[in-house]
Amino acid sequence: GAGVSQTPSNKVTEKGKYVELRCDPISGHTALYWYRQSLGQGPEFLIYFQGTGAADDSGLPNDRFFAVRPEGSVSTLKIQRTERGDSAVYLCASSTEHYSYNEQFFGPGTRLTVL
Amino acid sequence: ELKVEQNPLFLSMQEGKNYTIYCNYSTTSDRLYWYRQDPGKSLESLFVLLSNGAVKQEGRLMASLDTKARLSTLHITAAVHDLSATYFCAPEGFQKLVFGTGTRLLVSP
Repeated sequence: GAGVSQTPSNKVTEKGKYVELRCDPISGHTALYWYRQSLGQGPEFLIYFQGTGAADDSGLPNDRFFAVRPEGSVSTLKIQRTERGDSAVYLCASSTEHYSYNEQFFGPGTRLTVL
Repeated sequence: ELKVEQNPLFLSMQEGKNYTIYCNYSTTSDRLYWYRQDPGKSLESLFVLLSNGAVKQEGRLMASLDTKARLSTLHITAAVHDLSATYFCAPEGFQKLVFGTGTRLLVSP
């Protein structure tokens, strides 16, 4: 079956601009996660959705970052007034959130470059 | 706050050799995951370890979990070039995964 998909695969923008990154999870997965991976580092948690609601947004670095999942499937990560330090690969993952394990399946990522 | 430390950070080994990657984490977690990442690619799930003493094997890789010691290991047996990649461990903390900095493995002939 289809895996997690993310669009665009690459995004180049200028400092101060607004960007939206999209994630399509695996069909039927109720949990959706956003992570950010900087060069040479492991992924860093940003936000987690259970259904339509953000269950944990403690990883969002500041109020320029916002994410939505209005129908409990596709999610959009929105970044306002982008800064050069926002440049990274943004990864989306989804899981079935079985009661005993939470194996997350990752998408290919969106590479964001802020000039 | 859950913190994760992997070592070594970089491992260069010859084909046919054995080695172990270590993953230590700072607070209690009963579930831990191992992922592989090839350059420029996303993360591929390797192992799901769900309880103390769990051991999983797939091909030349074997992962184990000791929740009391807060330690997981990834053992490589008779390495081959195709195993060259970056390996991440990720214990689970309140539904989210906390990743280590990764171990970059390079296997050469």
